[in-house]
Amino acid sequence: DADVTQTPRNRITKTGKRIMLECSQTKGHDRMYWYRQDPGLGLRLIYYSFDVKDINKGEISDGYSVSRQAQAKFSLSLESAIPNQTALYFCATSDIGPGELFFGEGSRLTVL
Amino acid sequence: GDSVTQMEGPVTLSEEAFLTINCTYTATGYPSLFWYVQYPGEGLQLLLKATKADDKGSNKGFEATYRKETTSFHLEKGSVQVSDSAVYFCALRRDTGRRALTFGSGTRLQVQP
Repeated sequence: DADVTQTPRNRITKTGKRIMLECSQTKGHDRMYWYRQDPGLGLRLIYYSFDVKDINKGEISDGYSVSRQAQAKFSLSLESAIPNQTALYFCATSDIGPGELFFGEGSRLTVL
Repeated sequence: GDSVTQMEGPVTLSEEAFLTINCTYTATGYPSLFWYVQYPGEGLQLLLKATKADDKGSNKGFEATYRKETTSFHLEKGSVQVSDSAVYFCALRRDTGRRALTFGSGTRLQVQP
């Protein structure tokens, strides 16, 4: 089983719908992140959490919210999806220290 | 703010050719530098890293040297294989504050047999 698991892996939805992407990890890391990948733009940070009570906005947090339900779980919500939120979303975790991130396999979201 | 600039792709090479993917960065202080690789349909995985100036990171035949004077961390491999076809991301993490990684835009490498 993967250390960082994202669900769903693929989702197609319509404009205005609420969407939740879920991430769970078995690495025991305190730090979790949500990134968005768009062609030609690389990965951009949406939100990150350094522990259950510590949640921070990244560079593109508008239109998104997150919930850290437990050390192992970090979910990303789109309250009212819009087409320009069509992208590949990655969850990642890290331990304190050298900064290496461990990524899930990604959730591809299409908003029509 | 922090930023990472990579050469645009795709980079297309024949098997056994020499690879260079350029990466330069802008950041205050002394960031740690990373190369991540993304194979088709997968998430990113760490390829190599360097945490201080003049350090050389290496893994799987790939190398990159942290050059403070030119703010660069270019990725090199002496002889690429078809299995190296992937997207490569350069990234940095600032050494102060509570920061996540900042990524470049990625460079797609295609290796032809």
